[in-house]
This record gives sequence, structure tokens and C-alpha cells, in this order.
Amino acid sequence: EAQVTQNPRYLITVTGKKLTVTCSQNMNHEYMSWYRQDPGLGLRQIYYSMNVEVTDKGDVPEGYKVSRKEKRNFPLILESPSPNQTSLYFCASRGRGGNEQFFGPGTRLTVL
Amino acid sequence: AQKVTQAQTEISVVEKEDVTLDCVYETRDTTYYLFWYKQPPSGELVFLIRRNSFDEQNEISGRYSWNFQKSTSSFNFTITASQVVDSAVYFCALSDTLNTGGFKTIFGAGTRLFVKA
Repeated sequence: EAQVTQNPRYLITVTGKKLTVTCSQNMNHEYMSWYRQDPGLGLRQIYYSMNVEVTDKGDVPEGYKVSRKEKRNFPLILESPSPNQTSLYFCASRGRGGNEQFFGPGTRLTVL
Repeated sequence: AQKVTQAQTEISVVEKEDVTLDCVYETRDTTYYLFWYKQPPSGELVFLIRRNSFDEQNEISGRYSWNFQKSTSSFNFTITASQVVDSAVYFCALSDTLNTGGFKTIFGAGTRLFVKA
């Protein structure tokens, strides 16, 4: 089954404790992206990647890092999480020339 | 800068009513793509449609229809004969060129639609 998976789905952590949210897709897609969703703000793009080792900043990259060492994986790293990074995070992927982004199920992160 | 405005924060209708969700966008690109996504209460994001900037034809898919007008920078979404299952948050989104350069996507704030039985 074609899908984008994210782990963990729920995470509660404390300020400053490094964490990684994994994202993996099995569709051989070139493009992958991370978004955060906050009430009243819709989805805002954090980082995106056009292919292996090619990444670029979205609109809200501060406080986040990403890497794309393999085509299927695009982890989101929070080196020193802060409470303002409490949010719902979505990973997405899309093939070259494809119509739609395929979204993962979301990761709800709470930073205390 | 690119921007997507969904001025309607919440809409409430009674089942079988028609409802239109508005989307107004801003971009300096001549080639761009517009999308609608649905987010039901379960939280997943469901792709509904993509429209490129060169194709102003309206589209109909069952009870859903989309009206793209470049002259007013709008890409409105109409649900005909709404049903309770249509209750969701609907997002309009704008993306720059899909195949070259980038994958930057801007989403609107979303419109929450309540359909009452």
C-alpha cells in the first residue's frame, strides 16, 4: 500500500530535549516536505526536499533541521525544542510531475 | 510574496444546502498551481483537486465543483447538496512550479464547514 508513515504519532517532551520525528514514504517520490499545523494558521511549510541531499527552507524553518540521506526518508529534527514548537506536524511526499501531495497521518508534539 | 486567503473561518449549513468556500490568492509567478484539501475530524489530509494557472476551465466532480478565475485571483469550491460527511476543514493551497526548482506550498488558514442533519 502506497503510504507516508510518521513516527511517533504522539510525543510529549520537555524544553531542550532533542527529538527526531521520522518520515518515510514507499512510493519512490522525489519531493518530500514537512509542515506544521496550528489553529487559525493552516499548514505552514517548514522544510522541503527536491531529492536526496537537496533541501530548502520553507516559511518557518527556525528551530528545525532536516536531512535527506535516502530517497524514502526525511526526518525532522528539533535540536532544542521549545513550547512554541507544540503543534501538529505533517510530512508529505510527491512524485515528479505528480498531481497531489501524499500526507502522513500527523505527529502531535507537545513541548512542556 | 505568495499568499492564500480563506476569509471564511467557519460555515454552518443544513444538509442538502449548497455551500461555497472562497479562496483568494496572491502570487507574482506566471506559472503556479492551486489545490484544495479536505481534513475530516479524523485529522488526515485528503487531496481534492489541483488546477494549474494555464487552465481556467471549471471542474465538476460529483457534488464538488471548482471555479477558477485568474482575473480575480480566486479558486472557489462549491459543494452541492451538502451532506453531514462533508463536515471538515477545507484548505486551499498555492504552489510554485511543480517540476522545476521548488516545491514551496502556501496553505490558507482553512475553512471549517459544519453540515447539520
